[in-house]
Amino acid sequence: QVQLQESGPGLVKPSETLSLTCTVSGGSMSNYYWGWIRQSPGKALECIGYIYYSGSTNYNPSLKSRVTISVDTSKKQFSLKLSSVTAADTAMYYCARLLPIDRTGTTWFDYWGQGTLVTVSS
Amino acid sequence: SYVLTQPPSVTVAPGQTASITCGGNNIGSKSVHWYQQKPGQAPVLVVYDDNDRPSGIPERFSGSHSGNTATLTISRVEAGDEADFYCQVWDRSYDHPVFGTGTKVTVL
Repeated sequence: QVQLQESGPGLVKPSETLSLTCTVSGGSMSNYYWGWIRQSPGKALECIGYIYYSGSTNYNPSLKSRVTISVDTSKKQFSLKLSSVTAADTAMYYCARLLPIDRTGTTWFDYWGQGTLVTVSS
Repeated sequence: SYVLTQPPSVTVAPGQTASITCGGNNIGSKSVHWYQQKPGQAPVLVVYDDNDRPSGIPERFSGSHSGNTATLTISRVEAGDEADFYCQVWDRSYDHPVFGTGTKVTVL
């Protein structure tokens, strides 16, 4: 059973960089995409971006200028950095596994971490 | 970018059927996936590729779509089904997943 666990500071100051890591256990990172999704209080899910195990990335256009996602398969981890944060970035942050795009050109998230709450405040 | 619209809330009595809609431009041409999120928990995939269920998901959960609307149907609703539900598609224009606005299902 694949398990994902987010880790990182729960409090970040405005204008600083939010950094989170997701550790994968119970399965290989190979041949999968690994994504970050956030959910502001009372709001819908928003995919921040994702990374292929080999390192190629795709970011949400609305966040692209501030986001960096990286992967370290030797540690079975992938990471999120979100720069210049404001109160609007306060949210629950989830990491999740994204299956390879199938023959119909679609994919979905099959395993999720429990999530970690990040608050942006001075 | 592609927009998916869901009703904010659906209320259903135990034992009845709940239908949750997800609207999007020509969504009938896309595969739709559905997640259930119970309070304080991470989302769980309940339907993928329109009407397939992951292992462990009851047959009471089913999906369909046509035209500009996809629908998640929950038959014989139980109190434990109370949760927020989100639809999701893959936006090939940006190669990015798009989530719906979410629907809160209340079992009364």
